[in-house]
Amino acid sequence: GAVVSQHPSWVICKSGTSVKIECRSLDFQATTMFWYRQFPKQSLMLMATSNEGSKATYEQGVEKDKFLINHASLTLSTLTVTSAHPEDSSFYICSARGLAGATYEQYFGPGTRLTVT
Amino acid sequence: AQSVSQHNHHVILSEAASLELGCNYSYGGTVNLFWYVQYPGQHLQLLLKYFSGDPLVKGIKGFEAEFIKSKFSFNLRKPSVQWSDTAEYFCAVKRTDDYKLSFGAGTTVTVRA
Repeated sequence: GAVVSQHPSWVICKSGTSVKIECRSLDFQATTMFWYRQFPKQSLMLMATSNEGSKATYEQGVEKDKFLINHASLTLSTLTVTSAHPEDSSFYICSARGLAGATYEQYFGPGTRLTVT
Repeated sequence: AQSVSQHNHHVILSEAASLELGCNYSYGGTVNLFWYVQYPGQHLQLLLKYFSGDPLVKGIKGFEAEFIKSKFSFNLRKPSVQWSDTAEYFCAVKRTDDYKLSFGAGTTVTVRA
């Protein structure tokens, strides 16, 4: 149980175009999902917290208009990178908050490799 | 915001050697602590977690970690590593009054056969 999927697993796009990444909780409902960015050989940096039915909460320094997050249902959150540039190339990981026994955990997706040319 | 420090960037060891990875955090309040592993090409997986109770926590694959509150530390240990333990290991901290995880920079562990 507690599986999180991401689609696509990798994507190449041209500079100036937009890319949408989906994050799904497959066997549980998640009112809260998180989007992270991971640079090579570095840690995960939280970009935003996605709450079902409400606006996402962005971390300091993350451009809201560039990284659009939508959490339209309890099992799906999307991240759209708008007007992508080469510096947006990165590994984007989502997680979904779900119950594990009596406590909550974050379950991570496999990540999406974005390359902007 | 809390910060998380992992002391070792890259650890190389032979099979059957013992492993200990350091993790310290800076937040003075109550926290939950986690160790995650990321095998090459795979997603993050939870190794173990500490919420309360016994500060010595046992996780999957023979890993354990000890929470020492006075030292703000949560070090990960494994008595005898295998080649398959080659991976990236991340320590993470969550304040109990928040949802967000703060990750350390990660430690790359390479186990030589």
